[in-house]
Amino acid sequence: GIQVEQSPPDLILQEGANSTLRCNFSDSVNNLQWFHQNPWGQLINLFYIPSGTKQNGRLSATTVATERYSLLYISSSQTTDSGVYFCAVVETGGSYIPTFGRGTSLIVHP
Amino acid sequence: NAGVTQTPKFQVLKTGQSMTLQCAQDMNHEYMSWYRQDPGMGLRLIHYSVGAGITDQGEVPNGYNVSRSTTEDFPLRLLSAAPSQTSVYFCASSTRRSSSAFFGQGTRLTVV
Repeated sequence: GIQVEQSPPDLILQEGANSTLRCNFSDSVNNLQWFHQNPWGQLINLFYIPSGTKQNGRLSATTVATERYSLLYISSSQTTDSGVYFCAVVETGGSYIPTFGRGTSLIVHP
Repeated sequence: NAGVTQTPKFQVLKTGQSMTLQCAQDMNHEYMSWYRQDPGMGLRLIHYSVGAGITDQGEVPNGYNVSRSTTEDFPLRLLSAAPSQTSVYFCASSTRRSSSAFFGQGTRLTVV
C-alpha cells in the first residue's frame, strides 16, 4: 500500500514564529487532507487539498501531486496551534479510505 | 447535523472481556472506517466498509470484528480484550464524491 512520511516528527517554536510541515507520499493520490489533533484528542479537518494551494487565515497548504508531496505552512504561530498535525491520503485506484502519516508534534511556547 | 458519533468516550475493560464500540453517521456516507491511534504510530486502519453489507480488513485487523448492516452504523467488536488493545479508537466516514473524511471524537479504551 501507499506510504506516507511526515517531517519533522517533532517541532518546538516560540510564539510568533513560522513553520513548514512536510508530507511525502509514495504513489499517486486523488485526495489529501491535513488534520490538527488538539490536546484534547479531537481531529480537526484543516484542508482537503489533492492539488494546488489553499489558505485559511494563518494556515496555508500546497500539494504538488506530480512530485508526491504536500506542505502545510503555519505563520505567526500561537500556543493554540500546539498539537499533532496529520497528513492523510487516498491512493488513486485504492479503497477510498485514507492512509495516515505518523504526524508532526508541534509545541508552541508563549 | 451530528456528523460522526462514537460511544462510549472512555472505557476500561478487564482482559478477556468483550465489548462493542459504537459508531453512527448521519451524512449518508457510503464509506466508514475504524482506526486505532497509539503514541508515535499515527492512525492505523483496523477495518473499513465501502457500503452496507461490505467490510474489509485494514492494516491491523486481528482481535477485532465489524459488520455493516445499515449505511448509518459501523460497530467495532472486541471479542476477548487484551492489554495490547489499549488505545484510542476513531471512527470515520467519507463519500466517494469528495473522499474528504470526517471523524468522531474518539474512544479511549484501557484493557487491564
